[in-house]
Amino acid sequence: AQSVTQLGSHVSVSEGALVLLRCNYSSSVPPYLFWYVQYPNQGLQLLLKYTSAATLVKGINGFEAEFKKSETSFHLTKPSAHMSDAAEYFCAVSEAGRRALTFGSGTRLQVQP
Amino acid sequence: EAGVTQFPSHSVIEKGQTVTLRCDPISGHDNLYWYRRVMGKEIKFLLHFVKESKQDESGMPNNRFLAERTGGTYSTLKVQPAELEDSGVYFCASSQVLGTGGYNEQFFGPGTRLTVL
Repeated sequence: AQSVTQLGSHVSVSEGALVLLRCNYSSSVPPYLFWYVQYPNQGLQLLLKYTSAATLVKGINGFEAEFKKSETSFHLTKPSAHMSDAAEYFCAVSEAGRRALTFGSGTRLQVQP
Repeated sequence: EAGVTQFPSHSVIEKGQTVTLRCDPISGHDNLYWYRRVMGKEIKFLLHFVKESKQDESGMPNNRFLAERTGGTYSTLKVQPAELEDSGVYFCASSQVLGTGGYNEQFFGPGTRLTVL
């Protein structure tokens, strides 16, 4: 069975600092990989997805993620954090042919002024 | 275009009672999914409809949970009787249909927070 590991349930950064949220997956075949964000009192919103095209994926709000097959990782980064980035971030994976998503446990990002 | 909507946003019930959650997917989306997040844990898949048919219900925890999607439009998820461990946030998502092996972006609703006392 697939699994997704997000290192760090809480991450705190200063405004303007680099954001790095880690995600590792286990999958026997090349997966589809996603990052979702949940702002307070809202639903999950897709930030970006990897579907076997370019390994560096750019998403909304200045976020990007790099698929590294050798490390089975899909870490999320943003060069400069903004206060509005404070939210919970979820990494998810699915295998081709299966529609269900397997999620990590989430990382809550705090941005300090 | 309206997004995925869920009703109610919150529900507080006593153990042993019945609760029905509703999800309205984006118009034209044949795929509908239910997920659940128990507090502090990961979001877990419950089941997947394609139109009115259950494509994958491998994540349904037990037979106290019944999901329906009559007519292939909105879906309901009934919990009867509810237990304390059923508390959590129930998310619904929908996506369009693609060919085999393709991926469709899943659009999520805001969730229903269920509290069983």
